Amino acid sequence: DSGVTQTPKHLITATGQRVTLRCSPRSGDLSVYWYQQSLDQGLQFLIQYYNGEERAKGNILERFSAQQFPDLHSELNLSSLELGDSALYFCASSVGGGTAPYEQYFGPGTRLTVT
Amino acid sequence: GDSVTQMEGPVTLSEEAFLTINCTYTATGYPSLFWYVQYPGEGLQLLLKATKADDKGSNKGFEATYRKETTSFHLEKGSVQVSDSAVYFCALSSMNTGFQKLVFGTGTRLLVSP
Repeated sequence: DSGVTQTPKHLITATGQRVTLRCSPRSGDLSVYWYQQSLDQGLQFLIQYYNGEERAKGNILERFSAQQFPDLHSELNLSSLELGDSALYFCASSVGGGTAPYEQYFGPGTRLTVT
Repeated sequence: GDSVTQMEGPVTLSEEAFLTINCTYTATGYPSLFWYVQYPGEGLQLLLKATKADDKGSNKGFEATYRKETTSFHLEKGSVQVSDSAVYFCALSSMNTGFQKLVFGTGTRLLVSP
């Protein structure tokens, strides 16, 4: 158990809908990262937050957004869902925010299925 | 940009066989290198890491040495077990991206039979 929790574990929804994925980092970690794992694109970095502020952006679509709250949990919002958004979404956390190669600890993931 | 290349899988071995999974990387400067493992239905777990050239990361019988001259970080284990069956990901983080993200290889599935 990494100490990172993600909810829900599974999510099935229809095209055009909007969903919210939630992540709670390990106790003491200030950074949260979101990754998408799909069969065709592999594991891709989406976005990072550090202590409430966006720190880095990767291959995140404009239909997707995220935020980190004062209690350090994070939410990833996916809107206008398309079939191609079906994937495993992982959250990871680390103690630091990007000045050194801090270890990232991954949650169990949320499997999103868009029908 | 930074990238990681892993050998294609699946790698199929018998129990107690020697394992090598190749990983090479492209990055400027001195990236940190990682191996993550994903067991069926689970998230990624950090297996081992190395942060500078010639460092050897090790954990649970697995080892990998950071080779700057060949830009490689091959994963090895002397005697695999059925319980090692999983997908293994090589990854790097670098100053190019402020160590703010992990760049992953495509993953190599390992299947170990009794």
